[in-house]
Amino acid sequence: DIVMTQSPDSLAVSLGERATINCKSSQSVLYSSNNKNYLAWYQQKPGQPPKLLISWASIRESGVPDRFSGSGSGTDFTLTISSLQAEDVAVYYCQQYYSIRRTFGQGTKVEIK
Amino acid sequence: VQLLESGGGLVQPGGSLRLSCAASGFIFSSYAMSWVRQAPGKGLEWVSSIGGNTDTTYYADSLRGRFSISRDNSKNTLYLQMHSLRAEDTALYYCAKGSSGTYGEAAFDVWGQGTKVTVSS
Repeated sequence: DIVMTQSPDSLAVSLGERATINCKSSQSVLYSSNNKNYLAWYQQKPGQPPKLLISWASIRESGVPDRFSGSGSGTDFTLTISSLQAEDVAVYYCQQYYSIRRTFGQGTKVEIK
Repeated sequence: VQLLESGGGLVQPGGSLRLSCAASGFIFSSYAMSWVRQAPGKGLEWVSSIGGNTDTTYYADSLRGRFSISRDNSKNTLYLQMHSLRAEDTALYYCAKGSSGTYGEAAFDVWGQGTKVTVSS
């Protein structure tokens, strides 16, 4: 299975500041035939199911604020929250869908400093 | 678009349980569907997926043989049959819709609220 490793496990950021979460896969999730990265990011707030934020490593879902952005390719990816808002407090997960056996990162908890 | 899970509960080790997920608001048969679980205080773990109009199924290696995924497109319902349950299967089980008609290109774009499974004597 492809192992997804996120860093850090948690971070505390001041309101309005940038939050950066990294995700590394144990093998490339870039499909060479279409040049697409099979990588998604989810947000899970306490007591709620996960919400898909970004697919294809950098494509925001409809309705997701533009302060959320995804970047990276191959094995290294980043989720950036450009200006942290109080409602962004959550656990964030990366997930690969390159393999038929989907795998998630362990999650990164984002809090307000 | 809505997913509503049911069927969770308390079951003894070694027991069985069948989870259901009723879907509405989209053409159910056109999308792959999946189960993802979350143990208390832990992260997300993919359990199983099934193709849309096909019977192709996929399982986490650790669960193969004990869990079985199926769907009834005439009832817009997804199922997860679980056998030989263990304490480590205790989790909130989410139903999730594929974001694409093709399983190979699908993240999980719609999630239910989950149904809680507790395995304990």
